[in-house]
Amino acid sequence: SQQGEEDPQALSIQEGENATMNCSYKTSINNLQWYRQNSGRGLVHLILIRSNEREKHSGRLRVTLDTSKKSSSLLITASRAADTASYFCAFMEYGNKLVFGAGTILRVKS
Amino acid sequence: KAGVTQTPRYLIKTRGQQVTLSCSPISGHRSVSWYQQTPGQGLQFLFEYFSETQRNKGNFPGRFSGRQFSNSRSEMNVSTLELGDSALYLCASSLGAGLSYEQYFGPGTRLTVT
Repeated sequence: SQQGEEDPQALSIQEGENATMNCSYKTSINNLQWYRQNSGRGLVHLILIRSNEREKHSGRLRVTLDTSKKSSSLLITASRAADTASYFCAFMEYGNKLVFGAGTILRVKS
Repeated sequence: KAGVTQTPRYLIKTRGQQVTLSCSPISGHRSVSWYQQTPGQGLQFLFEYFSETQRNKGNFPGRFSGRQFSNSRSEMNVSTLELGDSALYLCASSLGAGLSYEQYFGPGTRLTVT
């Protein structure tokens, strides 16, 4: 089964800046989810966007979904050192398998 | 509400042995899914159980198996361990079946095969 593609692979920014990471997929999806993983809290669900939604917000997070381009982006505004983590997109593949992207490693420097 | 718990947290085994990992979902969650995470392959879906039935399975050999009990707790078994099975094994629970719901992950079991 295919793995979602994420870019960039790694991102280093200063505290207060915005961070954008992208995810692309190849199949039709019902929804797409974003997760964060760091050593302290493990893998944590951030946001779920359904295929009939184009944009969704949660605090400093903004997720967009473009089903025609089969892509999604996660924007973190006003980043903090605590946002340092790996970020993964995940989507349902045909056959009900949850596929995760390769992840973007975000480092926020204070 | 207590989160997803996994035991043991760390495990060292020898090639050829078998191992059983345990996962206790959040109270009220009936779906449990398992994932393998390695630096090379990333996060890969192993299988999902809902109400004691395996609903979905990833592309892993038959050495990987699992089950779910009536209290929704789940176990994953790997037989005839290989070096390549060294990984972080994550368990997640959710309210509904089908993996379209928010997954709540446990801290994982770090398995090292020597």
